[in-house]
Amino acid sequence: SQQGEEDPQALSIQEGENATMNCSYKTSINNLQWYRQNSGRGLVHLILIRSNEREKHRGRLRVTLDTSKKSSSLLITASRAADTASYFCATVTNSGYSTLTFGKGTMLLVSP
Amino acid sequence: DADVTQTPRNRITKTGKRIMLECSQTKGHDRMYWYRQDPGLGLRLIYYSFDVKDINKGEISDGYSVSRQAQAKFSLSLESAIPNQTALYFCASSGATINEQFFGPGTRLTVL
Repeated sequence: SQQGEEDPQALSIQEGENATMNCSYKTSINNLQWYRQNSGRGLVHLILIRSNEREKHRGRLRVTLDTSKKSSSLLITASRAADTASYFCATVTNSGYSTLTFGKGTMLLVSP
Repeated sequence: DADVTQTPRNRITKTGKRIMLECSQTKGHDRMYWYRQDPGLGLRLIYYSFDVKDINKGEISDGYSVSRQAQAKFSLSLESAIPNQTALYFCASSGATINEQFFGPGTRLTVL
């Protein structure tokens, strides 16, 4: 079963606007990762945030983590048409034999 | 050259046929994974291997089998394909800490 659930399922914005995607999860985690997928292609890792971190930045990406609410958000600032893609959160649990569990994704459309 | 490669990229087959999807990685990773992606469902883990002698079932292993031929090679087989196995299949690899997974380009499988 999916650990992470992204919200919204789809988001449509104009170039230059900010895009915010949210992810909620159910069990304790070691870290949470965000991935990007261009249509029909392989996923690409964007950023990782550990359970003891609250915020991380990478270029135009900002990720926050609230372990008390079991939620994370991904903010893309000053969006571009090239940011159009699906974005997935994935969690690594604290279990010893852990793997990544992906959410269902948010489809982002950035219009010129 | 791509770090994770998958063959074939597209395959159309008939119900009851045996199909093998192959994956190779050049990153020297010990850990390899097979996922299935269906529209609106995100990625679900089929099998994973943490080293050559280690094979584990994922969330949806029924109807699938795998073989880890070498550190760099991990193949997925459908012994008797059925139409609901029509999906996009991804292979991925990672290092021991699972901080980031590297994905192949995917295989689009259609079972008629």
